[in-house]
Amino acid sequence: NAGVTQTPKFRVLKTGQSMTLLCAQDMNHEYMYWYRQDPGMGLRLIHYSVGEGTTAKGEVPDGYNVSRLKKQNFLLGLESAAPSQTSVYFCASSNIATGGWNQPQHFGDGTRLSIL
Amino acid sequence: QKEVEQDPGPLSVPEGAIVSLNCTYSNSAFQYFMWYRQYSRKGPELLMYTYSSGNKEDGRFTAQVDKSSKYISLFIRDSQPSDSATYLCAMSDRDDKIIFGKGTRLHILP
Repeated sequence: NAGVTQTPKFRVLKTGQSMTLLCAQDMNHEYMYWYRQDPGMGLRLIHYSVGEGTTAKGEVPDGYNVSRLKKQNFLLGLESAAPSQTSVYFCASSNIATGGWNQPQHFGDGTRLSIL
Repeated sequence: QKEVEQDPGPLSVPEGAIVSLNCTYSNSAFQYFMWYRQYSRKGPELLMYTYSSGNKEDGRFTAQVDKSSKYISLFIRDSQPSDSATYLCAMSDRDDKIIFGKGTRLHILP
């Protein structure tokens, strides 16, 4: 029973490099989310998706792009990494059994990303 | 005024004590309230989920919502060292995104 799986778990990049973080969920959830978590800042929503083929901006979307080509996968891309993007990135998913945003989110264990 | 306020701690209590964790909020439209527990180097995991006002109990954990005061609490009875973690409150109305508190770090001292 995997739930939400994130790869890689840890990565070091140089400024200007690009990379893609992968999130996969096996719960058939409609909604998926990408957050970043920084000390003293809490969880901040980067982008989210309410279904396959749809994406939307969250609170801090600049410098990131996302894609949801398959229902179970949500990719987060950094086109040109900057030191300010050093963070722990969490993917989450939730069901829409009753519609709306009220359903609890299920999180992966994060990707620790360092930009030098 | 931030939408959700949570004391970052750290909060240190001896094993066996009752722990009280709290959040205040400003948006009176919030109806759904959650508590997540996050261990070091892990993702948040859902601990409690409540709708509207009142209490909900699950084992040693009790979640309490006071909508009139815009105040929610999580009580942990008979606290254990394994309860040492960061606790995040979260809340939403039906039509907008979940808002998370910044978390309270809790240390249970053996």
